[in-house]
Amino acid sequence: QSVLTQPPSASGTPGQRVTVSCSGSSSNIADNTVNWYQHLPGTAPKLLIHSDNQRPSGVPARFSGSKSGTSASLAISGLQSEDEADYYCASWDDSLDGYVFGTGTKVTVL
Amino acid sequence: QVQLVESGGGVVQPGRSLRLSCAASGFIFSNYGIHWVRQAPGKGLEWVASIWHDGSNKNYADSVRGRFIISRDNSKKTVYMKMNSLRIEDAGIYYCARGHEVGNSLDYWGQGTLVTVSS
Repeated sequence: QSVLTQPPSASGTPGQRVTVSCSGSSSNIADNTVNWYQHLPGTAPKLLIHSDNQRPSGVPARFSGSKSGTSASLAISGLQSEDEADYYCASWDDSLDGYVFGTGTKVTVL
Repeated sequence: QVQLVESGGGVVQPGRSLRLSCAASGFIFSNYGIHWVRQAPGKGLEWVASIWHDGSNKNYADSVRGRFIISRDNSKKTVYMKMNSLRIEDAGIYYCARGHEVGNSLDYWGQGTLVTVSS
């Protein structure tokens, strides 16, 4: 029962733009930064976006993040087959005094 | 290069204990907090616990508070998680990850260790 809500799935054809939403509250997203992780089951999760909209070195520019109020979004522009994975938003929650992950979104490349 | 290697997973009966280890290399270990994150079969990522760089502060998810204990030995560059009173729902892959103060993000992750809780 995560406090950050994501759609269970999203999809697009190669080259399309796909967005993944993350809905939280005043105790997490509104007051703390949002991070996004890419996860292929059985492998180590990978940090994709930190500090709401910053890409770590080596992450392609087609990945971008944004935040407004209690919600955040991840956008993948120019979708590629290798982008097929599970994506999670995450943030610190001041009420829980812990880190929280979103429910996760499976992105499928059609 | 930064490396985190988990170990200690295995098969354990409900109610028993297990200790996981996370061995780090490739960075100044004593400067970073470490987190444990798990993924139950067919489920999403769940944050479990974290410990500050010097061990002075520890945080736990409600689901494990009072049963799990996180600790670290900076001289051995290792973080531990003692898991007591294990439940069926504690089964899954356990990852350790380095905490980065920038954005409070988890910037490097290990490959995970599998914990199976079964009678």
